[in-house]
Amino acid sequence: GAGVSQTPSNKVTEKGKYVELRCDPISGHTALYWYRQSLGQGPEFLIYFQGTGAADDSGLPNDRFFAVRPEGSVSTLKIQRTERGDSAVYLCASSVGHSGEQYFGPGTRLTVT
Amino acid sequence: TQLLEQSPQFLSIQEGENLTVYCNSSSVFSSLQWYRQEPGEGPVLLVTVVTGGEVKKLKRLTFQFGDARKDSSLHITAAQPGDTGLYLCAGAYQNFVFGPGTRLSVLP
Repeated sequence: GAGVSQTPSNKVTEKGKYVELRCDPISGHTALYWYRQSLGQGPEFLIYFQGTGAADDSGLPNDRFFAVRPEGSVSTLKIQRTERGDSAVYLCASSVGHSGEQYFGPGTRLTVT
Repeated sequence: TQLLEQSPQFLSIQEGENLTVYCNSSSVFSSLQWYRQEPGEGPVLLVTVVTGGEVKKLKRLTFQFGDARKDSSLHITAAQPGDTGLYLCAGAYQNFVFGPGTRLSVLP
C-alpha cells in the first residue's frame, strides 16, 4: 500500500489484559512516530524511532507501555496490564527523516472495559 | 513543557464566510505545521512554516507564522462544507507537540 497502515482498526480489551498495536510505515521512511489521541484532544507524542532504535521515548506515560521496531520498518506498540485510562486512538506516523513531513495512519481505537 | 493553545475550540459558520483560527505558545519552535483531521482518519499535513513572519497560501487557506515563531494563524476565505474538520497545529521541538485543535463546521 502507498500509505501508513495500522492494525487492528479497533480493539476492545478487558482491564488488566495485554495488547499489541501494529504500524506499517511507508516503505523507505526511516522515522516512525507513535501518538495517542484522546477524545477532543490533539495527538500526544509517545515515542519516535529513527531506524531500529528509539530516539526519543520521553512521551511513554509509564513502564506499561513499550514499543519496538526490530527491522526498521514495522513497529509494534505494546501495552501491559491495560487500564481504562488507556482508552484512546493510537496513531502512527512515518516520515523520510525526523524533520520531514509526517504521514499518519488511520489509527487504532483502543477501548479498555 | 512545550504547550500549544488553539482558539477558538469550536467554530460553526455558514458556507461562504471567512474565518481565522489561532495557535499560540509561550515557546519558540523551529517550525510549525498545520494539519486537518477528519473523523476516523489520521491528521493530514496542510503546510509547514519555518521562518518568522512567513506567509503561505494554499488555495483559499492562508497561513502565517509569527515574527517570534511562537504563534501562527490560519485564515480560510469563503469557507466550504468540505473544509469541515479538526484543524491542528503542531510545533517542532525535540519532537512534535500538537495543540488541542479547532473543530470547524461549515454549514451549507
